[in-house]
Amino acid sequence: DTGVSQDPRHKITKRGQNVTFRCDPISEHNRLYWYRQTLGQGPEFLTYFQNEAQLEKSRLLSDRFSAERPKGSFSTLEIQRTEQGDSAMYLCASSSSFRVNEAFFGQGTRLTVV
Amino acid sequence: DAKTTQPPSMDCAEGRAANLPCNHSTISGNEYVYWYRQIHSQGPQYIIHGLKNNETNEMASLIITEDRKSSTLILPHATLRDTAVYYCIVGSWGKLQFGAGTQVVVTP
Repeated sequence: DTGVSQDPRHKITKRGQNVTFRCDPISEHNRLYWYRQTLGQGPEFLTYFQNEAQLEKSRLLSDRFSAERPKGSFSTLEIQRTEQGDSAMYLCASSSSFRVNEAFFGQGTRLTVV
Repeated sequence: DAKTTQPPSMDCAEGRAANLPCNHSTISGNEYVYWYRQIHSQGPQYIIHGLKNNETNEMASLIITEDRKSSTLILPHATLRDTAVYYCIVGSWGKLQFGAGTQVVVTP
């Protein structure tokens, strides 16, 4: 399968713990996006990379959140000191520069903070 | 805040055309209209996008009014697998600001 891959698919963690999610975009896509989706709502934009450069961060991305894309390929999203309000689906998407308007989403990582 | 207004839900009979409306009265000149859908427990799926002209692909047609303040997504022959939440989004360069979308239920 050559789509966007996210790992893990599900994560349950205790409040206060750190968690890290991974996203592997479609191989030729240089743009990568992170979104967060809570139950009953549409996805909310968090941050965006072009190659390894993080070009935009939403105000939703508090200081406890950090995203990296060190070699312009896969990306990680880390949440430090998790809170119950962080419980959500975290979605990754990618697109190419040639077809920037067509984003391909992964299946997401569902985080539950207990 | 989302820049689009969509009905919260609509039903469609299998085999019939589904016409999904969207209002985006504050759209700016360089913003596209995008449609995505999300089937339960999956990531959103791209359907179609347009700037000014009407667009058609293998999945759907997009009709944009001349003043660009509203659009309609047309699924020509709805199937049960088209049951999903459909999001109309305005924006640019792939950064998407989703609203609540329209829950479409296709019935036999």
